[in-house]
Amino acid sequence: ETGVTQTPRHLVMGMTNKKSLKCEQHLGHNAMYWYKQSAKKPLELMFVYSLEERVENNSVPSRFSPECPNSSHLFLHLHTLQPEDSALYLCASRKHIGGLRSYEQYFGPGTRLTVT
Amino acid sequence: GQQLNQSPQSMFIQEGEDVSMNCTSSSIFNTWLWYKQDPGEGPVLLIALYKAGELTSNGRLTAQFGITRKDSFLNISASIPSDVGIYFCAGQLWGSRLTFGEGTQLTVNP
Repeated sequence: ETGVTQTPRHLVMGMTNKKSLKCEQHLGHNAMYWYKQSAKKPLELMFVYSLEERVENNSVPSRFSPECPNSSHLFLHLHTLQPEDSALYLCASRKHIGGLRSYEQYFGPGTRLTVT
Repeated sequence: GQQLNQSPQSMFIQEGEDVSMNCTSSSIFNTWLWYKQDPGEGPVLLIALYKAGELTSNGRLTAQFGITRKDSFLNISASIPSDVGIYFCAGQLWGSRLTFGEGTQLTVNP
């Protein structure tokens, strides 16, 4: 599946910068997720949006701010990040309709973020 | 919270060999998913399992939902160089979040 796109693919930013990550899904899904992937660690769920409403905020620092303007788009706004925030940020989506296949999440290619 | 133990952490095999990896959970799941992640890319869904005892294949890949509902297995037969990557299991109890294992790094030597 290549139905989830993310931009940019790579981002280098200073600790005082403000940037945004974008995710777009073309699968007709209505739930979207942000994950953080650091080396040697399991995927960490950051935020969940279902039907454009944030349903989960997994104790993420306020320097990360999500936005979901519609069911196809998801943003992650970044400001005053720390070097330990450097990681691969993955977006995922699924069809929240009930039934077995609605548990399958499909991922984008990720944004490799480096904070200097 | 739920924890997943995935093993082995890494594998180094020769092309043509079969591969087995597994995940075990401290609690039961209703769904098991297996993903593969290539370097610099996001995880790609390989196989989804929804019933205890279920055995599902996708080409050379076969996955099983353990009958205790606390484990799952992935086998790759006749490995080829493009099988290189990180394989993740993920389990979910309906109504709860998807929980991921730490991944198995597979290296295939030609």
